[in-house]
Amino acid sequence: GDSVTQMEGPVTLSEEAFLTINCTYTATGYPSLFWYVQYPGEGLQLLLKATKADDKGSNKGFEATYRKETTSFHLEKGSVQVSDSAVYFCALGPRKGPNTGTASKLTFGTGTRLQVTL
Amino acid sequence: DVKVTQSSRYLVKRTGEKVFLECVQDMDHENMFWYRQDPGLGLRLIYFSYDVKMKEKGDIPEGYSVSREKKERFSLILESASTNQTSMYLCASTPELGVYEQYFGPGTRLTVT
Repeated sequence: GDSVTQMEGPVTLSEEAFLTINCTYTATGYPSLFWYVQYPGEGLQLLLKATKADDKGSNKGFEATYRKETTSFHLEKGSVQVSDSAVYFCALGPRKGPNTGTASKLTFGTGTRLQVTL
Repeated sequence: DVKVTQSSRYLVKRTGEKVFLECVQDMDHENMFWYRQDPGLGLRLIYFSYDVKMKEKGDIPEGYSVSREKKERFSLILESASTNQTSMYLCASTPELGVYEQYFGPGTRLTVT
């Protein structure tokens, strides 16, 4: 079945450091890929997405590129801020089509906690 | 803005109690989901619903049931709470089939003693 593997955390960085959180996936076909973020005390919210190979999703200075050849969707940010401290989840959803199924199920990774210090 | 609300942020229940967790969304979404979130395990799908009175089991449905009598409301029921159901419970919704952006509520942290 589908699966998502994320790098273990926690990741601790100083403000303005470069961030990479690795994510690789296993799926049949060509899934859509997502990064969700969970700030302390809140639910998850979509950070960015990519729906086909070589697409780059971006939002709030974060970027991730859908790499089919390496089955990866690594999250990057050039200069992190204290306010980026959160848990980040990589997720995949099956490609939309006639055989997608009855609901929009996502498969999530285990999450990576990021802590940014001054 | 889509809003997904959950009835409680924190709950403490005793072993054997029947527990109801309520979720309401205000954007007429077709699909609703219940997850539990545990450290090191990420989010695991308990149940989902793609229409009123329709439900399907997720990956870990044992010990849980759900109810969807109205489109906007999706309830998770723990028939007889156990300590291994202590967890964070997250509700989510999406507008239509095949749309994968999920909108999440703030979560309910349930402790079963």
